[in-house]
Amino acid sequence: DQQVKQNSPSLSVQEGRISILNCDYTNSMFDYFLWYKKYPAEGPTFLISISSIKDKNEDGRFTVFLNKSAKHLSLHIVPSQPGDSAVYFCAARDDKIIFGKGTRLHILP
Amino acid sequence: NAGVTQTPKFQVLKTGQSMTLQCAQDMNHEYMSWYRQDPGMGLRLIHYSVGAGITDQGEVPNGYNVSRSTTEDFPLRLLSAAPSQTSVYFCASSYLQGRQETQYFGPGTRLLVL
Repeated sequence: DQQVKQNSPSLSVQEGRISILNCDYTNSMFDYFLWYKKYPAEGPTFLISISSIKDKNEDGRFTVFLNKSAKHLSLHIVPSQPGDSAVYFCAARDDKIIFGKGTRLHILP
Repeated sequence: NAGVTQTPKFQVLKTGQSMTLQCAQDMNHEYMSWYRQDPGMGLRLIHYSVGAGITDQGEVPNGYNVSRSTTEDFPLRLLSAAPSQTSVYFCASSYLQGRQETQYFGPGTRLLVL
């Protein structure tokens, strides 16, 4: 059973607009959530994280929102840039880190 | 620092052959993990280790063995390769600050089992 779900396999956003990537989880023991970015033929790289005691964390153009009651988190990228085109993985941690299937983000010129 | 290194970058095996995927890190991280990435499946955890001498199973451990004799190395062994193990394998090392884990990935090993 999938514990971390990214239900949108792909997303296309115009350059300069906001990209919103969504993630749902089922395990209430998760207390730390992460977003990774992955380019083809490279390993994933850490982007931003949030602890379960917070509901928002911001780092430059990237903001992660956590809604614990809904078991939902989202990543906002604003403004979106061409270099943001990549696969984005949502992940969650209890005693190990579990990943979702990823969302491929296309930034359109 | 080299970070997390993985060898080989690419490997072709025949069904039934064995091999070891190497992973090393020079950051003195206690935690190390192996993931496989398959199309449409994301990253799935195979095995992980919270320190030298300690390993545990992840989501998809069958067909794989690991050991952690040193902090630096975490090899992944395929004892009898199967076509279903064709995948891209990523090793990661990480450190903890409280409950917050920061994870660093290697560049991956692409494995084809015929």
